[in-house]
Amino acid sequence: EDKVVQSPLSLVVHEGDTVTLNCSYEVTNFRSLLWYKQEKKAPTFLFMLTSSGIEKKSGRLSSILDKKELFSILNITATQTGDSAIYLCAAAGNEKLTFGTGTRLTIIP
Amino acid sequence: NAGVTQTPKFQVLKTGQSMTLQCAQDMNHNSMYWYRQDPGMGLRLIYYSASEGTTDKGEVPNGYNVSRLNKREFSLRLESAAPSQTSVYFCASSGDRVEKLFFGSGTQLSVL
Repeated sequence: EDKVVQSPLSLVVHEGDTVTLNCSYEVTNFRSLLWYKQEKKAPTFLFMLTSSGIEKKSGRLSSILDKKELFSILNITATQTGDSAIYLCAAAGNEKLTFGTGTRLTIIP
Repeated sequence: NAGVTQTPKFQVLKTGQSMTLQCAQDMNHNSMYWYRQDPGMGLRLIYYSASEGTTDKGEVPNGYNVSRLNKREFSLRLESAAPSQTSVYFCASSGDRVEKLFFGSGTQLSVL
């Protein structure tokens, strides 16, 4: 059975701090690892990683995939209150995505 | 640009009632999915349809049925609702790559 595990489940930090969110996966016929941000409604896409060791960056957010150890991390630097959300990790197999439980990130002003 | 449209947005049911959640996409996608999201559980796949005329069980199919009516529409039916089915339901679709997932806006379902 495909499985994606995220940690921590919840994180509270002060504005300006740097956070690291973790994701490990076991997925048959793994193709790619995706990160989503979810605020009030449906998840919105952040990153897709397919190759190990490649760091994706978008402003203050960056992510790395390690296909040997089967994990990914999402880093957010200089956090802002607008970063408060649930961050979901998902692993793609042949026909579907398997999501993790998510990390609820709260940024205190 | 409608994308993925889900109806209704909110629904309250009594235990034992039945209902159907509707989903339609206008992107000519082959694959469609139904997920449920509970607090602290992330998104869990209920059923999916890789192409018109096919459906497959996901992680949590018990208590649900689906119909891929045509390429555009994929409905989720609760025959006898239970309080454990209180959740937010998301429909999604994808084209040639499962990674390019498009979500509907969600349905908040409460079963009393």
